[in-house]
Amino acid sequence: DARVTQTPRHKVTEMGQEVTMRCQPILGHNTVFWYRQTMMQGLELLAYFRNRAPLDDSGMPKDRFSAEMPDATLATLKIQPSEPRDSAVYFCASGLGDYHTDTQYFGPGTRLTVL
Amino acid sequence: DQQVKQNSPSLSVQEGRISILNCDYTNSMFDYFLWYKKYPAEGPTFLISISSIKDKNEDGRFTVFLNKSAKHLSLHIVPSQPGDSAVYFCAASYGGATNKLIFGTGTLLAVQP
Repeated sequence: DARVTQTPRHKVTEMGQEVTMRCQPILGHNTVFWYRQTMMQGLELLAYFRNRAPLDDSGMPKDRFSAEMPDATLATLKIQPSEPRDSAVYFCASGLGDYHTDTQYFGPGTRLTVL
Repeated sequence: DQQVKQNSPSLSVQEGRISILNCDYTNSMFDYFLWYKKYPAEGPTFLISISSIKDKNEDGRFTVFLNKSAKHLSLHIVPSQPGDSAVYFCAASYGGATNKLIFGTGTLLAVQP
């Protein structure tokens, strides 16, 4: 049963600390997405990769957030320095193709709390 | 600016009755619409979709209706079951060679036994 995995599932940190979230997309999927879920905004797209290349990171605060795909099996989202307003659930999703009808498969999320 | 809006944060219905979840969008360039379902502590999962060339798509108990002139879509669940209790997200896509999705804020559906 192929699925997207994310680590850690929960992270509590103090303001100013670096946070790294990891995602393993489904093997063979060539698109990877990072989303942030908040009550006010719902699911916001932060970054979008195709074949490991970043296509769209317009939703990501550039001064503190960075997203990378070191290889096809790992995507990372880093926040440095973290702030209380970054507290949210961060989801990674992957897709088999990059056509608009291709389904995105979501991981279970990382719940981040910044104190 | 929210391009996809779900104005009802929550909805409660009785088991066996119809659940209707609504979604409005502002961008006329959207041509593909989806509903995702999310249980607590899990990621969203795809439920049903509709292309802008259709006005209805049905899959078992789930039907999505699209009214392009009103920029409105709705998800009907008939009959509703307690296992349908979840957060439902509406999403839209611009179409073509990109599967970037714009999501709404979600509606929490509670189906009472």
